[in-house]
Amino acid sequence: AQSVTQPDIHITVSEGASLELRCNYSYGATPYLFWYVQSPGQGLQLLLKYFSGDTLVQGIKGFEAEFKRSQSSFNLRKPSVHWSDAAEYFCAVVFNDYKLSFGAGTTVTVRA
Amino acid sequence: GAVVSQHPSRVICKSGTSVKIECRSLDFQATTMFWYRQFPKQSLMLMATSNEGSKATYEQGVEKDKFLINHASLTLSTLTVTSAHPEDSSFYICSAKAAGATYEQYFGPGTRLTVT
Repeated sequence: AQSVTQPDIHITVSEGASLELRCNYSYGATPYLFWYVQSPGQGLQLLLKYFSGDTLVQGIKGFEAEFKRSQSSFNLRKPSVHWSDAAEYFCAVVFNDYKLSFGAGTTVTVRA
Repeated sequence: GAVVSQHPSRVICKSGTSVKIECRSLDFQATTMFWYRQFPKQSLMLMATSNEGSKATYEQGVEKDKFLINHASLTLSTLTVTSAHPEDSSFYICSAKAAGATYEQYFGPGTRLTVT
């Protein structure tokens, strides 16, 4: 069955520390992969996407993600977190149609 | 570029009334628009897909007679919640896919619906 999983429901990180959010998918081929961020009461903003090519993808706001085919993963990273990065992060996947399938989301809390 | 707006951002209505939410692509033509529903602390659930000029395709379990979707132009889709009840209270988010684009969707800011 096709699925996308974000194993971490909530992550707390200190300002200035690094952040890594996990995303795994289950699919027989390489899907199209996205990371979105949602601030409270707001819509979703696209951080980055992977369709093909270089497996390390650079996005906005200093985020990057690495596609690892062998692990069926697309983890999101940021070297140094800012307080403004506190938000909900969603991994999303397009499998064999045009619809986005979302993970459950990871809430990131940034402590001073 | 690629801005999607929603109106209203927040609406409160009485049980039994209908509410219309608009979704507009401001600087591009959207052949396909999507409507999602999001409950507190949960992920987005796709409700329906609308293509300009044709009937919307609803996901399993979504009542098409309760959630009326119209995509009359390449820049506007509307979601009407008919005979709203408190259980319809939720955050509704639309997204739009540009003409010629394959998979990328641009999201609106969402509409908070509260039914009293």
